[in-house]
Amino acid sequence: GAVVSQHPSRVICKSGTSVKIECRSLDFQATTMFWYRQFPKKSLMLMATSNEGSKATYEQGVEKDKFLINHASLTLSTLTVTSAHPEDSSFYICSASSPLDGTDTQYFGPGTRLTVL
Amino acid sequence: GQNIDQPTEMTATEGAIVQINCTYQTSGFNGLFWYQQHAGEAPTFLSYNVLDGLEEKGRFSSFLSRSKGYSYLLLKELQMKDSASYLCAASSGGYQKVTFGTGTKLQVIP
Repeated sequence: GAVVSQHPSRVICKSGTSVKIECRSLDFQATTMFWYRQFPKKSLMLMATSNEGSKATYEQGVEKDKFLINHASLTLSTLTVTSAHPEDSSFYICSASSPLDGTDTQYFGPGTRLTVL
Repeated sequence: GQNIDQPTEMTATEGAIVQINCTYQTSGFNGLFWYQQHAGEAPTFLSYNVLDGLEEKGRFSSFLSRSKGYSYLLLKELQMKDSASYLCAASSGGYQKVTFGTGTKLQVIP
């Protein structure tokens, strides 16, 4: 149980284009999903917290107009990197949690490696 | 603010026992997670401690002292596949916010 998928696993795009990353909870309903980015040899940096049916809560320093988050259902959240630039190249990881779990455990997707040329 | 400290790197021998320490300072503390992350992969859940004490799960055990803001992850009978980064993460607040440490890169040698 508690499986989270992410798609695509790897994407290469040209500077200026937009990229959409999907995060799905496959066997549970996730009221809350989280988006992280991770640079090489660094820890996870929380970008935003996404609650189903409401606007995402962004961490300080994260541009909400650049990183668009949509949590349309209890099993799907999307992150769109708009007008991507080389400095946006990173490993993006989503996680999902469910209050039915009784804990705050976050289950992570496999990650999406974004390379912006 | 939130602050989590853990060693950057550790090396241990196959078959041995290793303890990875983590100290945290956080307001509204709920519990302490440990995750394992292999290079290039996403983290996988290992344990979650809410109450003080030791919780054992197979070869892995995790300890928490809320009063001291301290936790450790104990790995027994080390295997080569245990070479990975181990992330300590503190849950706080009312909306499940989890703050991650920088991770401890463990290298298991023959």
